[in-house]
Amino acid sequence: SQQGEEDPQALSIQEGENATMNCSYKTSINNLQWYRQNSGRGLVHLILIRSNEREKHSGRLRVTLDTSKKSSSLLITASRAADTASYFCATEPYNAGNMLTFGGGTRLMVKP
Amino acid sequence: DGGITQSPKYLFRKEGQNVTLSCEQNLNHDAMYWYRQDPGQGLRLIYYSQIVNDFQKGDIAEGYSVSREKKESFPLTVTSAQKNPTAFYLCASSIVPGAVAKNIQYFGAGTRLSVL
Repeated sequence: SQQGEEDPQALSIQEGENATMNCSYKTSINNLQWYRQNSGRGLVHLILIRSNEREKHSGRLRVTLDTSKKSSSLLITASRAADTASYFCATEPYNAGNMLTFGGGTRLMVKP
Repeated sequence: DGGITQSPKYLFRKEGQNVTLSCEQNLNHDAMYWYRQDPGQGLRLIYYSQIVNDFQKGDIAEGYSVSREKKESFPLTVTSAQKNPTAFYLCASSIVPGAVAKNIQYFGAGTRLSVL
């Protein structure tokens, strides 16, 4: 069963604009991760945020986590055409060992 | 080059046939996973293994089988019992988390399975 649900399912923006994707989940977690998938390829890890962290940055990526609302957001600033991909959140539920539960993804298209 | 290698990239299955998807990693990771991805969907866990000679069913194990005879290899067999096998199959690996290790998964490039 999918714990994480991304919103929106699809997003289309112009190059240079910011892209924001949201993820909601249902149970307590140890951490939350974001992955990127280019069409027809495997997933690539982008960033991990622990349950006791509220915000994390990596280059043009900014992730926030609100455990009281069981939600996270991924912000990509100054987007580029090369950012076009699907983005997935993955949660590591508390007491689930090292299993990850993936959401359905947000398909981002950045138009040049 | 360290990483995970999946083969073949494309695979076709005939009615009633079993097919095996290969997954090899040279990252020295203990844990390995198989996921199924349907078009426009997220990943669903088929099987996982945290140690050699041991594996556990995931959410959608019916119609699939695995083995873990070596640390670096985790092949997936799609059996004839899987009536709807057309999908994109992804293999991943990770370090089994300890006090400081993070459960970050590293993925192969995938195998696309179609039914003839």
